Amino acid sequence: GAVVSQHPSRVICKSGTSVKIECRSLDFQATTMFWYRQFPKKSLMLMATSNEGSKATYEQGVEKDKFLINHASLTLSTLTVTSAHPEDSSFYICSARDRGTSGRAVGEQFFGPGTRLTVL
Amino acid sequence: AQSVTQPDIHITVSEGASLELRCNYSYGATPYLFWYVQSPGQGLQLLLKYFSGDTLVQGIKGFEAEFKRSQSSFNLRKPSVHWSDAAEYFCAVGHLLSGGYNKLIFGAGTRLAVHP
Repeated sequence: GAVVSQHPSRVICKSGTSVKIECRSLDFQATTMFWYRQFPKKSLMLMATSNEGSKATYEQGVEKDKFLINHASLTLSTLTVTSAHPEDSSFYICSARDRGTSGRAVGEQFFGPGTRLTVL
Repeated sequence: AQSVTQPDIHITVSEGASLELRCNYSYGATPYLFWYVQSPGQGLQLLLKYFSGDTLVQGIKGFEAEFKRSQSSFNLRKPSVHWSDAAEYFCAVGHLLSGGYNKLIFGAGTRLAVHP
């Protein structure tokens, strides 16, 4: 099946630093990638939708200057948490939508394994 | 507004017993419905989905779900649970946006524990 990877899987950083998380579609091209945030024992909340070659669309209440998203190619999107604070600690999950060239159903989202961010 | 409700936060069943996880949705049109499973510290794996057609949908790992429009429900079932099914289960409704992709709205999840 379609594989989406995230790197790093776990990161610990000091307050005030910036952290970059990568999301890659390994065996298919993804014109659209999604970034979610999951709080402990909570559901996934969509943060933003990232389209290749264009600006990301952020959900209401998500600070675009805080969570910078770049989707520079059909297989890579990055989320940068700028000036991280302890309240940014969370589990961040990306998903990628198949472009449709691989034979799989167009529109299905495939999820990465997630990145655990801890800000001290 | 679209929403998904999973009434059961935590369910415990014995191995070999049957399972039903409840999901109710609120959506103005015919919904795209999904069930995902998440193992601890992992991403989400799609179990099954409903777009149209037969209201009883078969998925992976022996799971099935039934779409009932009159009840706005999409309950997940498995006739015999295995210890490896212990995980968090999420129901989601897909909101079709321009561009042809689904914005997923997730329920709060149901944590399944399986007793030997």
